[in-house]
Amino acid sequence: GAGVSQSPRYKVTKRGQDVALRCDPISGHVSLYWYRQALGQGPEFLTYFNYEAQQDKSGLPNDRFSAERPEGSISTLTIQRTEQRDSAMYRCASSSMGTDTQYFGPGTRLTVL
Amino acid sequence: EDQVTQSPEALRLQEGESSSLNCSYTVSGLRGLFWYRQDPGKGPEFLFTLYSAGEEKEKERLKATLTKKESFLHITAPKPEDSATYLCAVHEQAGTALIFGKGTTLSVSS
Repeated sequence: GAGVSQSPRYKVTKRGQDVALRCDPISGHVSLYWYRQALGQGPEFLTYFNYEAQQDKSGLPNDRFSAERPEGSISTLTIQRTEQRDSAMYRCASSSMGTDTQYFGPGTRLTVL
Repeated sequence: EDQVTQSPEALRLQEGESSSLNCSYTVSGLRGLFWYRQDPGKGPEFLFTLYSAGEEKEKERLKATLTKKESFLHITAPKPEDSATYLCAVHEQAGTALIFGKGTTLSVSS
């Protein structure tokens, strides 16, 4: 079966623009996580969904960041008024019911000029 | 303060030269400890989950062990294809997400 997919794989934008990053989890996985990974670091938690409910958004850095998962499957991470410090690899992970094991997607490399 | 610390940051081995990677953690209650492998330009690939002290898991040349304060990833007779960054992560009892260390970058030369 297909793994976690993310699109676009690369996104270059200008400072001040809004961007939307998409995550398509493994089919049937009820939990979905967004992480941000800087070079040479491990992934850092941003937010978590159980089905369509956003259960934890404590890792979102500020109110320019938001996420949704309206039908409990595909999720979108939106960054408004992007800043250069938002440049990073954004990773999505999903897990199935009753397990803590998270499977990661290939990530979206965001560059803000 | 770091909750997950991995050492060494980088490790160079000759093919066949066995070694261990360390992951020490400080959390109030451990729900699970995870090892991932990450190749350049790719997402972390799941290797193992350990839940309780004394537990061990093996996969090919890799064996992961867990104590109350740390985990080891033992690599026996490594091959060049084992070269990657190995990430350790913990899941706290009361937490939602994985807390990752910075990783150990392993290079195995033939």
